[in-house]
Formats: sequence, structure tokens, C-alpha cells
Amino acid sequence: DQQVKQNSPSLSVQEGRISILNCDYTNSMFDYFLWYKKYPAEGPTFLISISSIKDKNEDGRFTVFLNKSAKHLSLHIVPSQPGDSAVYFCAASSGGYQKVTFGIGTKLQVIP
Amino acid sequence: EAGVVQSPRYKIIEKKQPVAFWCNPISGHNTLYWYLQNLGQGPELLIRYENEEAVDDSQLPKDRFSAERLKGVDSTLKIQPAELGDSAVYLCASSPGQGVYEQYFGPGTRLTVT
Repeated sequence: DQQVKQNSPSLSVQEGRISILNCDYTNSMFDYFLWYKKYPAEGPTFLISISSIKDKNEDGRFTVFLNKSAKHLSLHIVPSQPGDSAVYFCAASSGGYQKVTFGIGTKLQVIP
Repeated sequence: EAGVVQSPRYKIIEKKQPVAFWCNPISGHNTLYWYLQNLGQGPELLIRYENEEAVDDSQLPKDRFSAERLKGVDSTLKIQPAELGDSAVYLCASSPGQGVYEQYFGPGTRLTVT
């Protein structure tokens, strides 16, 4: 039972354009969502998060949007840079409990 | 500030052999996690510690896996005996706790069982 779904295994975007990574979840108890970035041979690195009381959170070139009714969130990267090429994991948690459920990841390639 | 340290980075063993992984979390982080990551998958929680106490080990295969966190700092994850299906990356992460959700991951140990 995959509670956090990233249905696009890969995405290619031209440098300077917008990258949009999508994530769907099934557990309505999730109230906190995170995005992690992972380079090869490294552990995941925290990127940005959003609480369920918000619908948008922005940090520099990265913005996360949350649509609770659709149980959907997305990560926007504008403008995309070659250094953004990595695997991006969507993750979710509930009720202050610090167990985080991860999606399977989306591999982003930014083409110079 | 030093990050999460894991060793070894790579380990190759034959099946039925024991293996151990070590993790040193970020100083002051009370919560420590061990994750398993298979190829093409996201990290899956094996065990979570709050200080010395294992508060969630429901996903840890206890017949062959064990873990400890002595003095609430470093942690060791052990597999005995290893099976071919245990080949994966084992990630350690830590967080400050107290409502902070963000976890800080180490580089992982890539285990290959032959």
C-alpha cells in the first residue's frame, strides 16, 4: 500500500525553464509534507516542507504547493539549473509523529 | 557543523555472514533513524530511536536484524545472517526531535550480499 505516490519516474527540462514535480498521497491523516533531493552516492538532503494549514511555501527558486482536497502536492523549481539534476523524493508525516513515509522518487534532468 | 557520519560506505559479504553498520548522528539530535533503500525505491524506515529508546521498530525484521543506540548517541545496525535480499543501501538519519520534522541523512552504506 503506497501511501505517497510519485507517478513520474523521470523528468527532463531545459535549463532556465520551470520544473514541476508531482506527488499524490492517500492517507488523509498526513499533515506535514517534505521534499528531499538526492545526488548519487549521497544521502537525501532536505529541500523544502509545507504544513497542511498552508497551501504554498516558497524558498528561493523552490515552491511547494499543496492541494488538500485533491491530496496532491507539487514542487516547482524556477529557473531550473543543471545542478538541480537529482532524484527528488516526496515525503509525508502525520500527527507530530516523526515517522516519515517516502515516495519512490522522480529523477530530474536539467539539460544545459 | 558535522553531518551524519556512517561507516563503512561500502560492504561486500557472502550470504550467511554477519555485518554491522555504524552511525554517528549530528550532535544534539535526539532522534535517530535507520532506513533501508532498495534500488528505485524511497527510503523505508527500519527503526527509530528517541535517545536510547527504540520507539518504533515495527518494520525491523527481528529474526535477523538488531540495532542498538548506546548512551543515546551512536548507533549500530546488525544483520546476522545476511541474505541475498538484504543487498541495499542502509541510511542513517537524525533530527533534533521536539516537533522538527526535517531529517538529516548520512551518505549511507551500500551492502552487497553475494
